[in-house]
Amino acid sequence: DQQVKQNSPSLSVQEGRISILNCDYTNSMFDYFLWYKKYPAEGPTFLISISSIKDKNEDGRFTVFLNKSAKHLSLHIVPSQPGDSAVYFCAASSNFGNEKLTFGTGTRLTIIP
Amino acid sequence: KAGVTQTPRYLIKTRGQQVTLSCSPISGHRSVSWYQQTPGQGLQFLFEYFSETQRNKGNFPGRFSGRQFSNSRSEMNVSTLELGDSALYLCASSLQDPAKNIQYFGAGTRLSVL
Repeated sequence: DQQVKQNSPSLSVQEGRISILNCDYTNSMFDYFLWYKKYPAEGPTFLISISSIKDKNEDGRFTVFLNKSAKHLSLHIVPSQPGDSAVYFCAASSNFGNEKLTFGTGTRLTIIP
Repeated sequence: KAGVTQTPRYLIKTRGQQVTLSCSPISGHRSVSWYQQTPGQGLQFLFEYFSETQRNKGNFPGRFSGRQFSNSRSEMNVSTLELGDSALYLCASSLQDPAKNIQYFGAGTRLSVL
């Protein structure tokens, strides 16, 4: 049962434009969400997070939006740069019960120069 | 500060063999989590150790086991290897609760089972 879903396995965006990566979750107990970025031959690195008490968090070119009623979050990258080409994973956790991170299947983002 | 170190980086084994993977967390981090990454499945949680105790376990068969030492270094063992165990195994460390603290990942061990 995939509780965190990234329905787009891949996405291509022109350099300088906005990249929008989407993530849906099914567990209403999730209250903390993170995005990780992974380059080939490297481990994932933390990008940005958001708590369920907020609906937006910004860090430079990266903004995460959370829509709790739709159980949906998105990562916006503006402007997109070639170095942003990577696989992006969203992850979620809950304060109750099983305190572990549940990851999505990832979206491969390719920035076209 | 040194990052998370996983050894070896690559392993080739045959079915039925067993394998041990090693993970050295960032100094001061007491929580170590292990994940399996396969194409199309994302990162599947294996288990998490904190202060030498397994605090959490994912839905993997008993052939997958782990342990943590007093210096927080962790090992993961897979016995009776199957072809489907071929994957990238990632280790991550965090200060305490991995659900609320940033996890720092190693580069992974790529295991190929022939």
